[in-house]
Amino acid sequence: QVQLVESGGGVVQPGGSLRLSCAASGFTFSNYGMHWVRQAPGKGLEWVAFIRYDGSDEYYTDSVKGRFTISRDNSRNTLYLQMNTLRPEDTAVYYCAKVFITIFGVVIYGMDVWGQGTTVTVSS
Amino acid sequence: EIMMTQSPATLSVSPGERATLSCRASQSVSNNLAWYQQKPGQAPRLLIYGASTRATGIPASFSGSGSGTEFTLTIDSLQSEDFAVYYCQQYYNWPLTFGGGTKVEIK
Repeated sequence: QVQLVESGGGVVQPGGSLRLSCAASGFTFSNYGMHWVRQAPGKGLEWVAFIRYDGSDEYYTDSVKGRFTISRDNSRNTLYLQMNTLRPEDTAVYYCAKVFITIFGVVIYGMDVWGQGTTVTVSS
Repeated sequence: EIMMTQSPATLSVSPGERATLSCRASQSVSNNLAWYQQKPGQAPRLLIYGASTRATGIPASFSGSGSGTEFTLTIDSLQSEDFAVYYCQQYYNWPLTFGGGTKVEIK
């Protein structure tokens, strides 16, 4: 079945770095754009970043621009999020999610499959 | 950045009743709007895309409507498993943005 499994979360000090991974299975990973979405404790959802199916384009929310980098390795069916200069406000559960392609071939930049999330805590 | 505003923040509904949730965009997003359901400790689940098209496996009790800046998610005859938090999200342009969520709780 279609599955996304995140890993790499943990506790890090402010100013530190982490790299999250998202292993994809059950679908042709190289055909789909991918998102990272986060959720701070007790808060709502916040979109973080997107990368096109072939890695040719990336988009970020303003608060992470210049600090986070989304990337992918289609040969390994894996999505990454490199997070540098982490701040306490980056503390959240981080989800990876795939875009949705309709039966008519239209790409919907929403998220139809989500991972279970990995927790990042930025604290001294 | 397009701001998405959901109302009410909390909706108290009795089982079997209808719930009507609203989502407003700060500028037109055409029909590029999705709705998600999230239960405690779980990842979100896609319910609706294109403002009104149910995702695969979503029951007909869920329906979406609207376009431009005003959108509605209606849940008919609420079941116990429908009590959750619901988010709208625009994918009209970058950055993608979510509403703050509506919690549907048991009255």
